[in-house]
Amino acid sequence: NAGVTQTPKFQVLKTGQSMTLQCAQDMNHNSMYWYRQDPGMGLRLIYYSASEGTTDKGEVPNGYNVSRLNKREFSLRLESAAPSQTSVYFCAGATGSEAFFGQGTRLTVV
Amino acid sequence: RKEVEQDPGPFNVPEGATVAFNCTYSNSASQSFFWYRQDCRKEPKLLMSVYSSGNEDGRFTAQLNRASQYISLLIRDSKLSDSATYLCVVNDPRALTFGSGTRLQVQP
Repeated sequence: NAGVTQTPKFQVLKTGQSMTLQCAQDMNHNSMYWYRQDPGMGLRLIYYSASEGTTDKGEVPNGYNVSRLNKREFSLRLESAAPSQTSVYFCAGATGSEAFFGQGTRLTVV
Repeated sequence: RKEVEQDPGPFNVPEGATVAFNCTYSNSASQSFFWYRQDCRKEPKLLMSVYSSGNEDGRFTAQLNRASQYISLLIRDSKLSDSATYLCVVNDPRALTFGSGTRLQVQP
């Protein structure tokens, strides 16, 4: 039982490159989330998915897209990376009573 | 106005001290409330849920005041290992919304 698994753990991109952050959960959670955390800041919601096949924008969705193709997986895509997207990205799966986080992806855009 | 607001701190306290954090939320339709702990460069982990009746887990006590829309966390007999950032989390109910966190540093 791995919980919530994110890949990759670290990534360096050049401005304009694209990439997809992967997240998978084996806890049968309906809801999944993507957050970003900038240095010294709290977590800001990028996108969330209340159930398989549905996605909604959070606080900071610009520059990102997401895909919830099945219950287990929720991916985050950066189509054209910008230095402002340098951050730590956390994926979470949640019930109404608790959220479980992956270990994070540290992304640097140069 | 932020949906969930916390004093960022840092709170610097000696070992054995009692320290309290508060958090306010703006959405009166919020249904669930939590405190998470985050260690440096790690993922947040659930510390405790918060109920209107209050709940206690060892040295930690959490309270919810729905009328005033605030949540509190009390830590008694602080340990060095309590040093971390404490995040207030509200299920608003669309999604989990995090406060910016309150940093606690317990000193020997």
